[in-house]
Amino acid sequence: GAVVSQHPSRVICKSGTSVKIECRSLDFQATTMFWYRQFPKKSLMLMATSNEGSKATYEQGVEKDKFLINHASLTLSTLTVTSAHPEDSSFYICSATGLAGFYEQYFGPGTRLTVT
Amino acid sequence: SQQGEEDPQALSIQEGENATMNCSYKTSINNLQWYRQNSGRGLVHLILIRSNEREKHSGRLRVTLDTSKKSSSLLITASRAADTASYFCASGPNNAGNMLTFGGGTRLMVKP
Repeated sequence: GAVVSQHPSRVICKSGTSVKIECRSLDFQATTMFWYRQFPKKSLMLMATSNEGSKATYEQGVEKDKFLINHASLTLSTLTVTSAHPEDSSFYICSATGLAGFYEQYFGPGTRLTVT
Repeated sequence: SQQGEEDPQALSIQEGENATMNCSYKTSINNLQWYRQNSGRGLVHLILIRSNEREKHSGRLRVTLDTSKKSSSLLITASRAADTASYFCASGPNNAGNMLTFGGGTRLMVKP
């Protein structure tokens, strides 16, 4: 099956610094990638949708200047949390889909971000 | 954005029993998917049911879909301790490409 990887799996950073999380589709071309945020014991909240080569579409309430998303190639999307604060601590999960009209999303293993 | 609700939020059963989880959604859908998540891990796709289907099976999983009631159920038969996880439904709306909207999830605990 399709594999999506995320790096790093865990990161601890100091308040005010920026952190970049990578999401890669390893064996397929991802035309669309999604970024989710998940709080403990809660469901996934969609943050943004990104299509290769175009600007990401952010969900309401998500600050695009704080959560920078780049989808420069068909196999890589990055999420950069800028000027991180403790309240940004969360589990960030990406997913990817391939061909248009193919509805199954493949999820990465997630990245645990802790901001101290 | 969160639009679905899952019921129950938590479920504890003994190994060998069946587990039933329900999901409701609000808008019209193209498909509904069920995912599993082990604690602190990513999601694993279990099964997809399209809006024109009423029931689907995969191994010990049985999913039903009632579009008139905007609801779906996931049944896990003969549960095992290894089935302990959180289960989420996710709806794929008609007009939003591949975007999924997740339900709140059901935390299933299967006791050996």
